[in-house]
Amino acid sequence: EVQLVESGGGLVQPGGSLRLSCAASGFTFSNYWMIWVRQAPGKGLVWVSRINTDGSATEYADSVKGRLTISRDNAKNTLHLQMNSLRAEDTAIYYCGTENWGSVASWGQGTLVTVSS
Amino acid sequence: QSVLTQPPSVSAAPGQKVTISCSGSSSNVGNQYVAWYQQLPGTVPKTLIFENNKRPSGIPDRFSGSKSGTSATLAITGLQTGDEADYYCGTWDSSLSAGVFGSGTKVTVL
Repeated sequence: EVQLVESGGGLVQPGGSLRLSCAASGFTFSNYWMIWVRQAPGKGLVWVSRINTDGSATEYADSVKGRLTISRDNAKNTLHLQMNSLRAEDTAIYYCGTENWGSVASWGQGTLVTVSS
Repeated sequence: QSVLTQPPSVSAAPGQKVTISCSGSSSNVGNQYVAWYQQLPGTVPKTLIFENNKRPSGIPDRFSGSKSGTSATLAITGLQTGDEADYYCGTWDSSLSAGVFGSGTKVTVL
């Protein structure tokens, strides 16, 4: 059974940094593209970033380019999202997922990031 | 303003059918696979449909997806009170080089 468990969320001041992690199990992590999606409180789903199987190719939403960095450690079955220069509008639940032709196949339970002073 | 357009809400009585549309363009829906997601209140989204019309294991056949041109449709038949949720379409946009979601449709069972 696919399991994705996010961690690393919390309260951070504007301009601060956080590193989210997503621990994967139950499938061959290195065979799958991975994705981050976020959802602000009471709002809809927003695509954030994706990474290919070996980490050599990444893509980002315009709203996060230059501030968020996706990476993966296939030896540790872990996906990361380094978040710098955080803004109030980055406040959201962040979900990691397996990616399949542009869609999310499996979802983690999410981790809440709150950017506030 | 979402790249993909969905109606804000749809409703029907139990046992009836609802359809949710997802309108895009040739850079997304028209030439990419579409997925549909269900988000029950206070829960994690769940993938209902992938690659336009395929259901993951465990998803009942009351849920079906289709696509024609630059529009996709999710149909729910035999509507149940447990189907009350927000539904989102999603796909890849080759012009943006980014994934895109619709703004979501709230399904209400009358």
